[in-house]
Amino acid sequence: QAGLTQPPSVSKGLRQTATFTCTGNSNNVGNQGAAWLQQHQGHPPKLLSYGNNNRPSGISERFSTSRSGNTASLTITGLQPEDEADYYCSAWDISLSAWVFGGGTKLTVL
Amino acid sequence: EVRLSESGGGLVQPGGSLRLSCAASGFTFSSYAMSWVRQAPGKGLEWVSTILTSGMTYYADSVKGRFTISRDNSKDTLYLQMNSLRAEDTAVYYCAKDWYDCWGQGTLVTVSS
Repeated sequence: QAGLTQPPSVSKGLRQTATFTCTGNSNNVGNQGAAWLQQHQGHPPKLLSYGNNNRPSGISERFSTSRSGNTASLTITGLQPEDEADYYCSAWDISLSAWVFGGGTKLTVL
Repeated sequence: EVRLSESGGGLVQPGGSLRLSCAASGFTFSSYAMSWVRQAPGKGLEWVSTILTSGMTYYADSVKGRFTISRDNSKDTLYLQMNSLRAEDTAVYYCAKDWYDCWGQGTLVTVSS
């Protein structure tokens, strides 16, 4: 099953803004949006957002998402050292009847 | 508190079998779709399988015909029966609820002779 496309890495300074992209097609991202997950080294993933910009309770407002066509985006404002992690997107593909994941983007906070 | 706890991982020889379990608590288990997602060492996340509340199941092409997902709503437990295991199935296996809003800590499956 073809995956979603994410850049492998992003580097930003402390208190800056980082934006991650996730590109799919009309059967997945373009249909129901994407879920965004944060994973720190050695820990399970944590949901940051799902569907069309739905943020679970307890997730900081510094994390926001959007979608334009077949590309979903995650924006983190006011970067903190604890934001350094891997970020994954995922979406249900109605054509494949399968979840597809992006390869993940590693965020480095300088 | 919503909680998922996997068990059943371990070392198995190629061609062998394992059954993973995921015990759920803190929510109405029968009301949510559940999934298994795996992560090979140093690699990204890979979806394995999903089971809906209706019992309908979906599988990644890489495991179709070898893995079987099931659930026992009376025990609030999700299962993954893994047969004909291959070296490339080596990974940490996570169970996850619904739109991935809760994850277990994972259980490591190592396929090696």
